[in-house]
Amino acid sequence: GQSLEQPSEVTAVEGAIVQINCTYQTSGFNGLFWYQQHAGEAPTFLSYNVLDGLEEKGRFSSFLSRSKGYSYLLLKELQMKDSASYFCAVGLNTGFQKLVFGTGTRLLVSP
Amino acid sequence: GAGVSQSPSNKVTEKGKDVELRCDPISGHTALYWYRQSLGQGLEFLIYFQGNSAPDKSGLPSDRFSAERTGGSVSTLTIQRTQQEDSAVYLCASSFGGRAVDTQYFGPGTRLTVL
Repeated sequence: GQSLEQPSEVTAVEGAIVQINCTYQTSGFNGLFWYQQHAGEAPTFLSYNVLDGLEEKGRFSSFLSRSKGYSYLLLKELQMKDSASYFCAVGLNTGFQKLVFGTGTRLLVSP
Repeated sequence: GAGVSQSPSNKVTEKGKDVELRCDPISGHTALYWYRQSLGQGLEFLIYFQGNSAPDKSGLPSDRFSAERTGGSVSTLTIQRTQQEDSAVYLCASSFGGRAVDTQYFGPGTRLTVL
């Protein structure tokens, strides 16, 4: 089976840097995804890592270590609008993109 | 262009009634997914469509749940004889081809409450 673990909640202040961790155990790994979800809204895609290393996209970066079953999402220069839930999801090699989601990390950004 | 749309946005029903939830994917997307999200939880995979076929229905929690897709576009998720534990947000997503590199785009969801 598959399992993913994330912290339930992280708090930070505006302008700071925050890291949200995700550890996973899975078979048939085909990439690690991060999604952002504001309360009451649809999840939106943030990043996709399939190889080890860091992927940078503006203020957001995502890191993957396949050997350690570990990923993190790094958010820089935090803004109030970054307050949301962040989900990591493992893509399984099933012939199509089947995602298994973690339970999510709620990020609270304060002034 | 238009994103994924779902209707209704909210549905309140009585235990034992049947409900139908609708998803309109992004035009041209062949892959369509249904997920369920309980309060404060992650997304739980229900079913995957490629065109009108459903090669993976493994996430449907019971035989009270069924889904179909017609014309390679609109999909309907039907829950028969609803139970209180069915209360959740039901999310639909579509992607261009369903491959590992194809981003899934989510709709706003239908919040189902079973009284």
